[in-house]
Amino acid sequence: DAGVTQSPTHLIKTRGQQVTLRCSPKSGHDTVSWYQQALGQGPQFIFQYYEEEERQRGNFPDRFSGHQFPNYSSELNVNALLLGDSALYLCASSLIWDSFYNEQFFGPGTRLTVL
Amino acid sequence: AQSVTQLDSQVPVFEEAPVELRCNYSSSVSVYLFWYVQYPNQGLQLLLKYLSGSTLVKGINGFEAEFNKSQTSFHLRKPSVHISDTAEYFCAVSYGSSNTGKLIFGQGTTLQVKP
Repeated sequence: DAGVTQSPTHLIKTRGQQVTLRCSPKSGHDTVSWYQQALGQGPQFIFQYYEEEERQRGNFPDRFSGHQFPNYSSELNVNALLLGDSALYLCASSLIWDSFYNEQFFGPGTRLTVL
Repeated sequence: AQSVTQLDSQVPVFEEAPVELRCNYSSSVSVYLFWYVQYPNQGLQLLLKYLSGSTLVKGINGFEAEFNKSQTSFHLRKPSVHISDTAEYFCAVSYGSSNTGKLIFGQGTTLQVKP
């Protein structure tokens, strides 16, 4: 059973560029959440997708957008990159209608460096 | 505001000694509590979780945590650590009675196990 996968593993961009990160959820999961983890910090919630719609959003600007596809995979897009966007981007998947609390399973992350 | 505070940024300890990593959260009527571990260049792995019931929760790798509602704490403990426990540990909280999935993380505690 494949867990959560993310691509690419590393990415280097320059300021002002745009980037797309990809995530495939764990088999059987239907919900994808994205987190940003700056160096030396805890992960911060960006947004969550379910049924191809943004279900919840954290305190991130509109430069951060996402998409969920019918196969439940997801993309995170960041426009007009800033130096401060350099971070590890984590994808987590879960099953929204679990019986009690839907445990989130995390992928290995994509390390984004903005120069 | 909803927040999670990990009281120690670094905890050095000798191998086979006991350890406690401290976590406090802002009070709420309903919370779900988690501890995650992150090894270098990897994603997050769930150590244990508190959803309801017994306040003493046992997790993987010999870790346990105790939920203290009156003190709004969820401290992680291990009676005897190994070199392989060296990693970053994150406390996380999900607020609210509904299953939103959004996790709020602490800043992390680096556990350094010395031989």
